[in-house]
Amino acid sequence: AQSVTQPDIHITVSEGASLELRCNYSYGATPYLFWYVQSPGQGLQLLLKYFSGDTLVQGIKGFEAEFKRSQSSFNLRKPSVHWSDAAEYFCAVGAIYGGSQGNLIFGKGTKLSVKP
Amino acid sequence: DGGITQSPKYLFRKEGQNVTLSCEQNLNHDAMYWYRQDPGQGLRLIYYSQIVNDFQKGDIAEGYSVSREKKESFPLTVTSAQKNPTAFYLCASTTGDYGYTFGSGTRLTVV
Repeated sequence: AQSVTQPDIHITVSEGASLELRCNYSYGATPYLFWYVQSPGQGLQLLLKYFSGDTLVQGIKGFEAEFKRSQSSFNLRKPSVHWSDAAEYFCAVGAIYGGSQGNLIFGKGTKLSVKP
Repeated sequence: DGGITQSPKYLFRKEGQNVTLSCEQNLNHDAMYWYRQDPGQGLRLIYYSQIVNDFQKGDIAEGYSVSREKKESFPLTVTSAQKNPTAFYLCASTTGDYGYTFGSGTRLTVV
């Protein structure tokens, strides 16, 4: 079955430092991959998505992610973190099997804290 | 502006009581979803509906029920059979291209 793993439950970075959040997926062919962000008590907002083509995708709020097929990874990066980036981040893969086609399978999330 | 509206934002349930969470969208999306979110658990799928008058169980459907009588609406009922209903509930919709739009959630607490 398809699955998504976010190895880091909680990450703390200093404001202005670079950020990389890890995401690994399990699936053989080219997956549909997504990153969402959730502020406390709110719904999820789409940061970026990868369907095909250029493996480096740009998203909103200065985020980017790189698809690496050989590593089954889709890590999220930002060169300089702002205090407002503190939130929980979810990686997701699009299900393609049978009746679940069209559904998203989410990782358990990585909570990002930003130190002043 | 188009979007998804979840109501109420906060809901309190007494033991043995059924409660219904509302989810309405004006995006003309075909598919709608209900997720439950607990700390450290990520999002777990409760029910989904890809078309009106049809819905499917997700991974944790026990103790929940839904209906999809209109394209715009996908209410979730938390029944007394759900023994641990305290959680944050999220509704989402999509056109089918995996681009989900989420509501702002309902926090349900058992009192």
